[in-house]
Amino acid sequence: DTGVSQDPRHKITKRGQNVTFRCDPISEHNRLYWYRQTLGQGPEFLTYFQNEAQLEKSRLLSDRFSAERPKGSFSTLEIQRTEQGDSAMYLCASSSLSRGRDTGELFFGEGSRLTVL
Amino acid sequence: AQSVTQLDSHVSVSEGTPVLLRCNYSSSYSPSLFWYVQHPNKGLQLLLKYTSAATLVKGINGFEAEFKKSETSFHLTKPSAHMSDAAEYFCVVSLFRGGSYIPTFGRGTSLIVHP
Repeated sequence: DTGVSQDPRHKITKRGQNVTFRCDPISEHNRLYWYRQTLGQGPEFLTYFQNEAQLEKSRLLSDRFSAERPKGSFSTLEIQRTEQGDSAMYLCASSSLSRGRDTGELFFGEGSRLTVL
Repeated sequence: AQSVTQLDSHVSVSEGTPVLLRCNYSSSYSPSLFWYVQHPNKGLQLLLKYTSAATLVKGINGFEAEFKKSETSFHLTKPSAHMSDAAEYFCVVSLFRGGSYIPTFGRGTSLIVHP
């Protein structure tokens, strides 16, 4: 296992279309995070999972956004009826527990860049 | 309100001179603190982390940071900048929200290194 992988790396779509991103975390990591990063800004938290449970969602995650992690392994982030403001880099990260505590260190994928025309 | 603030959007230094990237946080407890680096078209990489052990933390590539609780700061330093240090640097604080500790990013500081 070489790290967190994300697919696709780039997606260009027309406004109103649906898109889905996939993230495969490091295999032994039970926590998975989604962030969004726009140009010149730091990554903004969207949501996170511990195993298959979605434990926290940001207010940034409107009802057009949905994330799943059905078996506690890979995760998907779907955006319905995309808008131009959704154009961003979508980052996935995973982390693990050490002696029952989250080490806090995030391992990031290289991101999925979305462009909405 | 809990927050993380990177005081400079850009820092420009000459190669061989010291680097200082500033980060302050606001939290009602002692959080875990991190610095990440993002090189152009590359993924985010952990530089160093503070998790309530030694207040002076050493990281990769000669970087270090000092946790100062009284000043609620976690500034990143390096004695001598190298051209390869040019990148975007993010201070990250695990802030408690909704029952979970969420790694929360500052807006980033772009480090520019001149020859």
